[in-house]
Amino acid sequence: AQSVAQPEDQVNVAEGNPLTVKCTYSVSGNPYLFWYVQYPNRGLQFLLKYITGDNLVKGSYGFEAEFNKSQTSFHLKKPSALVSDSALYFCAVRDITRSGAGSYQLTFGKGTKLSVIP
Amino acid sequence: GAGVSQTPSNKVTEKGKYVELRCDPISGHTALYWYRQSLGQGPEFLIYFQGTGAADDSGLPNDRFFAVRPEGSVSTLKIQRTERGDSAVYLCASSRYTNVKTSTYNEQFFGPGTRLTVL
Repeated sequence: AQSVAQPEDQVNVAEGNPLTVKCTYSVSGNPYLFWYVQYPNRGLQFLLKYITGDNLVKGSYGFEAEFNKSQTSFHLKKPSALVSDSALYFCAVRDITRSGAGSYQLTFGKGTKLSVIP
Repeated sequence: GAGVSQTPSNKVTEKGKYVELRCDPISGHTALYWYRQSLGQGPEFLIYFQGTGAADDSGLPNDRFFAVRPEGSVSTLKIQRTERGDSAVYLCASSRYTNVKTSTYNEQFFGPGTRLTVL
């Protein structure tokens, strides 16, 4: 079975400082990895994905994430946090080596609440 | 263009009643997914459609839950004999065609959700 762990329920960072939101995953094969952001009363918005290729993936709003196969991690990063980045962040995984229709489903972590302090 | 839309945005019902939740995917997206998000949790997969057929319904919790997508576009999630434990936000997502053979995987775009409260 595939799973995702987001070890921090909440991350606080001062505006202008770099931020990191942690994610580790577990799959039996090779993963596709995703980050989504959820603002209050709004749907999940796609930020970025790792499918293959470079381990450093760049996404929307200045976010990036680094895929580390040996540590089974996919941490989300941003060099300089904005107050408007405050939201709930979800990491998700899909095991690409699973065959059949079930392989399309995403498994999400519990989410990390990011608060950027002015 | 227009995103995924879901109606209603909020639904309050009484235990034992029947409810229908509607999802209108992004035009041209052949894949459609339903997830359920309980308070303090990430979304949990319910069912996946490729076109009109349910390709994977392994996430449906029991036979009170059913979903259809008769014309390959709009989908309806149906819950019979609702229970208080069904209270959650029900999310719909859509994506372009995903091809297992070529491992082409397109990201899912989510709607705002329907908040279901069962009293």
